[in-house]
Amino acid sequence: AQTVTQSQPEMSVQEAETVTLSCTYDTSENNYYLFWYKQPPSRQMILVIRQEAYKQQNATENRFSVNFQKAAKSFSLKISDSQLGDTAMYFCAFMKRGLRSYQLTFGKGTKLSVIP
Amino acid sequence: EAGVTQFPSHSVIEKGQTVTLRCDPISGHDNLYWYRRVMGKEIKFLLHFVKESKQDESGMPNNRFLAERTGGTYSTLKVQPAELEDSGVYFCASSQDYVYGYTFGSGTRLTVV
Repeated sequence: AQTVTQSQPEMSVQEAETVTLSCTYDTSENNYYLFWYKQPPSRQMILVIRQEAYKQQNATENRFSVNFQKAAKSFSLKISDSQLGDTAMYFCAFMKRGLRSYQLTFGKGTKLSVIP
Repeated sequence: EAGVTQFPSHSVIEKGQTVTLRCDPISGHDNLYWYRRVMGKEIKFLLHFVKESKQDESGMPNNRFLAERTGGTYSTLKVQPAELEDSGVYFCASSQDYVYGYTFGSGTRLTVV
């Protein structure tokens, strides 16, 4: 079974600064996907960024980028130029590729507060 | 495009009562998922529909939970009878292509007292 660990329950960052959220996972699989989801106080979870394990290049989406270290089973999220709208719960998630149901395994989440 | 809609947004019921949660996925999404987050714990998978068929229900906690998906459109999740440990936020999600992740609803916060 896969596990996902987010070791930072809460974090804060000054507006316009950069913050990195950590995520590690444990799996014996070789083909999988990794995701970061964001859940603002309004509660709907939004996909922030995804990474395919067979791709070495780190994914980037505007101000959001990941540092994917497959050997270390690490998948951290970097938010640059933090904005007030980035305040949210952030969940790291794992999906085994080829699994019939494509279910996500989540970490416990990191609550990020962006301070003006 | 309308998103994934869940209702009610909140529900407070007494132990032993029945509650039915509803999820309307994005039109055309064959895949529909239910997840649950109990306070302070991880979000856990409950089950997955492909159209009207249950593809994987390995995460359903026990037989007090019954999920249906009528005609491959909306889905309901019924808890009968509800227990205190069923309290949490129930999320629904849908997708057409799993590779790009899901679209989640806002969730239903269920409180059993």
